[in-house]
Amino acid sequence: AQRVTQPEKLLSVFKGAPVELKCNYSYSGSPELFWYVQYSRQRLQLLLRHISRESIKGFTADLNKGETSFHLKKPFAQEEDSAMYYCALSEYGNKLVFGAGTILRVKS
Amino acid sequence: GAGVSQSPSNKVTEKGKDVELRCDPISGHTALYWYRQSLGQGLEFLIYFQGNSAPDKSGLPSDRFSAERTGGSVSTLTIQRTQQEDSAVYLCASSTTGGRSPLHFGNGTRLTVT
Repeated sequence: AQRVTQPEKLLSVFKGAPVELKCNYSYSGSPELFWYVQYSRQRLQLLLRHISRESIKGFTADLNKGETSFHLKKPFAQEEDSAMYYCALSEYGNKLVFGAGTILRVKS
Repeated sequence: GAGVSQSPSNKVTEKGKDVELRCDPISGHTALYWYRQSLGQGLEFLIYFQGNSAPDKSGLPSDRFSAERTGGSVSTLTIQRTQQEDSAVYLCASSTTGGRSPLHFGNGTRLTVT
């Protein structure tokens, strides 16, 4: 059963437009959720985690337990945000399970 | 070292041959993961090592896949009798304490089975 769902394979927006990358999860325990990002020709790296409640590079993500969602948002997209974004769920504080990923393309 | 190191960076092999992929994690990281990255499949969990505990092998797709971690450091992922569907990028990651701490990824090994 898919535990992390990212419904969009590709999201294309214009520079300056708002961005929302969707992530839904399925987990019976208390979830720990993360967003990882992979820029072109770079390693996959952590972007942010829900327990930190911080904004990184203008991105924020709020955990909504009622909707079992952890969508990633940014009010004004920049060209350098173009990358592959993965939502991830930590199961019992151990292994990290990733979604299929969403390619974000920011057009000028 | 500065980060997680994987070798080789690229591997082309013939169908039916065995391959070994190597991962050197960050020194002191007790947790080590292997993932497979392929188009349309995202990041597929393969196996997870944590300290001296028995590894979580629940993601290995078949008994042709195996992995070991020697001395709590270097790990080797072995694929026996490779098939074309094994073609993918194999990523290794390490972290200090497991899933709650950030994972540090290597650059991956791109495996092509012809």
